[in-house]
Amino acid sequence: NAGVTQTPKFRVLKTGQSMTLLCAQDMNHEYMYWYRQDPGMGLRLIHYSVGEGTTAKGEVPDGYNVSRLKKQNFLLGLESAAPSQTSVYFCASSFQGSETQYFGPGTRLLVL
Amino acid sequence: AQSVTQPDIHITVSEGASLELRCNYSYGATPYLFWYVQSPGQGLQLLLKYFSGDTLVQGIKGFEAEFKRSQSSFNLRKPSVHWSDAAEYFCAVFTSGTYKYIFGTGTRLKVLA
Repeated sequence: NAGVTQTPKFRVLKTGQSMTLLCAQDMNHEYMYWYRQDPGMGLRLIHYSVGEGTTAKGEVPDGYNVSRLKKQNFLLGLESAAPSQTSVYFCASSFQGSETQYFGPGTRLLVL
Repeated sequence: AQSVTQPDIHITVSEGASLELRCNYSYGATPYLFWYVQSPGQGLQLLLKYFSGDTLVQGIKGFEAEFKRSQSSFNLRKPSVHWSDAAEYFCAVFTSGTYKYIFGTGTRLKVLA
């Protein structure tokens, strides 16, 4: 039981490049979330999903897209990376309606 | 508006000393409150949570927190800090209507040997 895993762990991009972050969970959770963590700002919700095939915007969705084609996976895409997207990205998941979220180890992204 | 405030950005304590990390929230309904810990380079680990009932909740690693409705606070405490407690601590409120967390900005704890 791996819990929540994230791929890759670290990535460096140039401005304008695209990439996809993968989040996978093996706990059969319905809900999945993407957060970004920046110094002095805590974690902010980017997008979330309440089930396969559904996604919704969070607090800071601009510049990101997401897809939930399979229940266990939640993808976060950056179509044209910007230096402002340098951050640590965390994925989380939870059971439907549950108050407790389980977090992955994070992906550190540097955009030059 | 719903919000979580952690007024202390950094706290330094000596090993063996007691610890209290402050958290204040603004939420219209009865809050579901959480404390998470993040060790350097790691993800977030749940320390404890409060939903209802006894206002003093026990968590892992010897931590406890007390919910005080009158003060809109959920402060985290530990009687004797260990060097391994050095980490960043996040308080969060769960918004039951939207199933989302609102996080505080975090408190970074440094432990002196």
